[in-house]
Amino acid sequence: NFVLTQPHFVSESPGKTVTISCTGSSGNISRNYVQWYQQRPGSAPTNVIYEDNKRASGVPDRFSGSIDTSSNSASLTISGLKTEDEADYYCQSYDGSSRMFGGGTKLTVL
Amino acid sequence: QVQLQESGPGLVKPSGTLSLTCVVSGGSISGNNWWSWVRQAPGKGLEWIGEIYHSGTTNYSPSLKSRVTISFGTSKNHFSLKLTSVTAADTAVYYCARYSNFIRRFDFWGQGTLVTVSS
Repeated sequence: NFVLTQPHFVSESPGKTVTISCTGSSGNISRNYVQWYQQRPGSAPTNVIYEDNKRASGVPDRFSGSIDTSSNSASLTISGLKTEDEADYYCQSYDGSSRMFGGGTKLTVL
Repeated sequence: QVQLQESGPGLVKPSGTLSLTCVVSGGSISGNNWWSWVRQAPGKGLEWIGEIYHSGTTNYSPSLKSRVTISFGTSKNHFSLKLTSVTAADTAVYYCARYSNFIRRFDFWGQGTLVTVSS
């Protein structure tokens, strides 16, 4: 089973840059695309990054995605942090006929 | 704009069967998409349950496969989830969602429905 591991919590100040990692348990994370979702309390998730590094429609260019094959991980970077970016973020990929999510990262902007 | 709406009982007894329906509007169930169920236990992360393609092909999470059935309704603008032998660990918000094979992401989600397993 392919597992995606994220840090539970990250925090940063407004205006700064934060990076959330998503590490694959085995194999090559670049073999299948990684997506990122933002979830605010009480709401369904919304896609922010798809196919590793493409921004979903309406997502500001402060959000970017990347893959680092040396660490077998994907990353979501948010620059110029705003208080409205405070949310839970989930990476998601697939392995054969299974989809999977990372455990989620709670981003606090303080 | 595709819209999805979950419905079903909010309370299920332990050892019973959880049954939910997702109605799809604003688009066809045909097309290169997987129609999926995702759940989120209180205070926990997202868990993929499974999916169905318009051909009827299904894929399930290995951890839930023995208890899950996803199927289309007779009118084929809705699909359903059945989860048998439920326990308190199955208490969660259940979302239906569309997974686009073209863009390879979950691009449309329902609002979610809370199902509590309790006697």
